[in-house]
Amino acid sequence: DTAVSQTPKYLVTQMGNDKSIKCEQNLGHDTMYWYKQDSKKFLKIMFSYNNKELIINETVPNRFSPKSPDKAHLNLHINSLELGDSAVYFCASSDSGTSGAYTFGSGTRLTVV
Amino acid sequence: LAKTTQPISMDSYEGQEVNITCSHNNIATNDYITWYQQFPSQGPRFIIQGYKTKVTNEVASLFIPADRKSSTLSLPRVSLSDTAVYYCLVGDDRGSTLGRLYFGRGTQLTVWP
Repeated sequence: DTAVSQTPKYLVTQMGNDKSIKCEQNLGHDTMYWYKQDSKKFLKIMFSYNNKELIINETVPNRFSPKSPDKAHLNLHINSLELGDSAVYFCASSDSGTSGAYTFGSGTRLTVV
Repeated sequence: LAKTTQPISMDSYEGQEVNITCSHNNIATNDYITWYQQFPSQGPRFIIQGYKTKVTNEVASLFIPADRKSSTLSLPRVSLSDTAVYYCLVGDDRGSTLGRLYFGRGTQLTVWP
């Protein structure tokens, strides 16, 4: 009964590969997000989707492409992976009627070698 | 975006009360103040949110002075399991600004036996 679940938890891949991270929430929230946390622990918003519509695209390279098939899912596809993409990626969800009350997933640690 | 300033780290001993103060001098009228807790290898977890005065829940208390330019998260009688990074967020991300809240580097709280 995990609220926000993302898979896989760990992902090790070579440069140049394409990979996807999946996220699902069962909270009935209408908004979902992808965040990136780097080695210095800064947590930065990448994308936000409200009712399957893209709201935020924060200067993320176009190698990153989010896809929201429905309100409960927000997947992240990354093309041509680079060393600098290594980080922990968090999915989150919220109710757009509230401010700042996010529920985060447990993260996907991506390592590009 | 209202930027926040909080100490990079704090130390405490088990059983003590811990107060973490966050400065947010340019807080806007509609902005909320939200605190998150993050354990290693986990996503941030919502702790408490307030707009003014004092808010208390089963985990913490949040004190907000009348000018709202700062806020203090109070953790009563901390235990070793409270060792985590604590983030202070300020903003109103409803509507078109969904997800536009600045996490910053947070405060690393270490609780010692």
